[in-house]
Amino acid sequence: GEDVEQSLFLSVREGDSSVINCTYTDSSSTYLYWYKQEPGAGLQLLTYIFSNMDMKQDQRLTVLLNKKDKHLSLRIADTQTGDSAIYFCAETPDQTGANNLFFGTGTRLTVIP
Amino acid sequence: DAEITQSPRHKITETGRQVTLACHQTWNHNNMFWYRQDLGHGLRLIHYSYGVQDTNKGEVSDGYSVSRSNTEDLPLTLESAASSQTSVYFCASSEGSANTQYFGPGTRLTVL
Repeated sequence: GEDVEQSLFLSVREGDSSVINCTYTDSSSTYLYWYKQEPGAGLQLLTYIFSNMDMKQDQRLTVLLNKKDKHLSLRIADTQTGDSAIYFCAETPDQTGANNLFFGTGTRLTVIP
Repeated sequence: DAEITQSPRHKITETGRQVTLACHQTWNHNNMFWYRQDLGHGLRLIHYSYGVQDTNKGEVSDGYSVSRSNTEDLPLTLESAASSQTSVYFCASSEGSANTQYFGPGTRLTVL
């Protein structure tokens, strides 16, 4: 099956930028996603990018996609304590909207006040 | 507002018992999914459904079953619970070309 890899932990100081990285193996990935999971809660979709794009910006969030290297990153500008959570990268190989997502292990972001 | 709910939120059971976890969505989505979340594994797909009467096995389907008798519900059944099935279970639903999945709050299941 598809492999999606993430580092497990990241710590940053409040106000700094956070960069969470993800690599994947499936060259047919069509959509790539970032989800956020706060303690005791389900996963919340933050943003997604279509594979023919290399960048997407949404307020404090910037997603960069390097399709050649199969590398996806999420940058959070001006990181706040409320950004502390687990961030999951996910990808799907299918364009029909019905296929499965393959998730990474998640990166636990800790924001130090 | 449309939502996806799971019940119970917490469950403790014994080895060998049958357990059913409920998932209900009011998005009217055709696609529904069950995942389990374990430390070091992220989320792994158990079963999924693309519509009423349709069910499919995911990556870790052994010991689990689902049924889809209507659009709103996809209950997950553990036929004979095992300690290895202690986990947090998430239900999700999706629709649309971007396959954006919406997740329920999760059920924490402990099998003693």
